[in-house]
Amino acid sequence: ETGVTQTPRHLVMGMTNKKSLKCEQHLGHNAMYWYKQSAKKPLELMFVYNFKEQTENNSVPSRFSPECPNSSHLFLHLHTLQPEDSALYLCASSQDGLGADTQYFGPGTRLTVL
Amino acid sequence: AQSVTQLDSHVSVSEGTPVLLRCNYSSSYSPSLFWYVQHPNKGLQLLLKYTSAATLVKGINGFEAEFKKSETSFHLTKPSAHMSDAAEYFCVVVKTSYDKVIFGPGTSLSVIP
Repeated sequence: ETGVTQTPRHLVMGMTNKKSLKCEQHLGHNAMYWYKQSAKKPLELMFVYNFKEQTENNSVPSRFSPECPNSSHLFLHLHTLQPEDSALYLCASSQDGLGADTQYFGPGTRLTVL
Repeated sequence: AQSVTQLDSHVSVSEGTPVLLRCNYSSSYSPSLFWYVQHPNKGLQLLLKYTSAATLVKGINGFEAEFKKSETSFHLTKPSAHMSDAAEYFCVVVKTSYDKVIFGPGTSLSVIP
């Protein structure tokens, strides 16, 4: 589990707040991902970064803003969220961003939007 | 379009009995297939993956899965369940190396003492 770390582990925010989720990988990987995991729904891929470049944005609302300053760090900036955005947000990394690569997941940030 | 179906949203077994978690996929190609496990309050962890080598794939913790192209299935099995196997299990399909990963909805496994 120490391969991919996420902070904070839990976050409660109001709809007018601005907060950021942080992910760090210590595996030397080149690709990083953000997923949203809601109750009773399949895991939803949000963003993919490969060598710091965004290669996928799955029609995510603009109130979610990713940032990847280097291959080891990934942020998800949050602003004016809605209650339906409450979910577990998982970060993952893989060697090269190829579909067949094994992904290594962090423990997630449990987000609650009031 | 490719998709993945996990036929059971919840499976309950007694400790020491076999585990079968079912997964079917639809894909025009022979895909790469994965099983991930998620324990409570943890991230997902790879159990095993199939990438066009041997059709019977052995993973960690005694789990294995068999790729059956004729049945478009990739069911996960374990001969004897342990209490620590209680978790959520996700079947995942990728059509080719350059395609996105598609996660199934998950199967929750309960193990009864």
